[in-house]
Amino acid sequence: NAGVTQTPKFQVLKTGQSMTLQCAQDMNHEYMSWYRQDPGMGLRLIHYSVGAGITDQGEVPNGYNVSRSTTEDFPLRLLSAAPSQTSVYFCASLGTGELFFGEGSRLTVL
Amino acid sequence: GESVGLHLPTLSVQEGDNSIINCAYSNSASDYFIWYKQESGKGPQFIIDIRSNMDKRQGQRVTVLLNKTVKHLSLQIAATQPGDSAVYFCAERTGGGNKLTFGTGTQLKVEL
Repeated sequence: NAGVTQTPKFQVLKTGQSMTLQCAQDMNHEYMSWYRQDPGMGLRLIHYSVGAGITDQGEVPNGYNVSRSTTEDFPLRLLSAAPSQTSVYFCASLGTGELFFGEGSRLTVL
Repeated sequence: GESVGLHLPTLSVQEGDNSIINCAYSNSASDYFIWYKQESGKGPQFIIDIRSNMDKRQGQRVTVLLNKTVKHLSLQIAATQPGDSAVYFCAERTGGGNKLTFGTGTQLKVEL
């Protein structure tokens, strides 16, 4: 099992550009989520999904879109990147009470 | 303990000593708590969890204590090793759903 796989690991964007962070899990978990991690702050929930075809907003959803067409994949889209979106992004899926995290995607917006 | 701000609180311990990392949680209705370990450049990893109907749970070299009266959670690491150096943070779940609220973390440094 690969667990939770995120790509890319690093990305630099210019303000206004769009991009998609990919997340895939092979554990057949229904619940998947995206967090951002900023210095001095805890992980903050962006969007989450309780199953294919179902998504919902978390604590900081503005500027991000998600979709869940399959159980395995949960991509995060930045529609028009802003410097405030410079962060490390983590995808996670929920097993029996435990969140499994990917290795993170470090995004810099210039 | 944990705090909101730009700098993580840091705990420095000697190799072989015991470490105690503290967390104050916010919601008295939280029913489930988890400790995570995050090494530099990696994603958080589950260490141990505890439900609100317990006040202590032990794992391998780790113990979590829960004091609901003062909304306090602690993680004890026995015989701390260099590989324990990481950021540790707690998370709480409220309302039986899947959403977790994470603390800001404590940096543990193990000195040889």
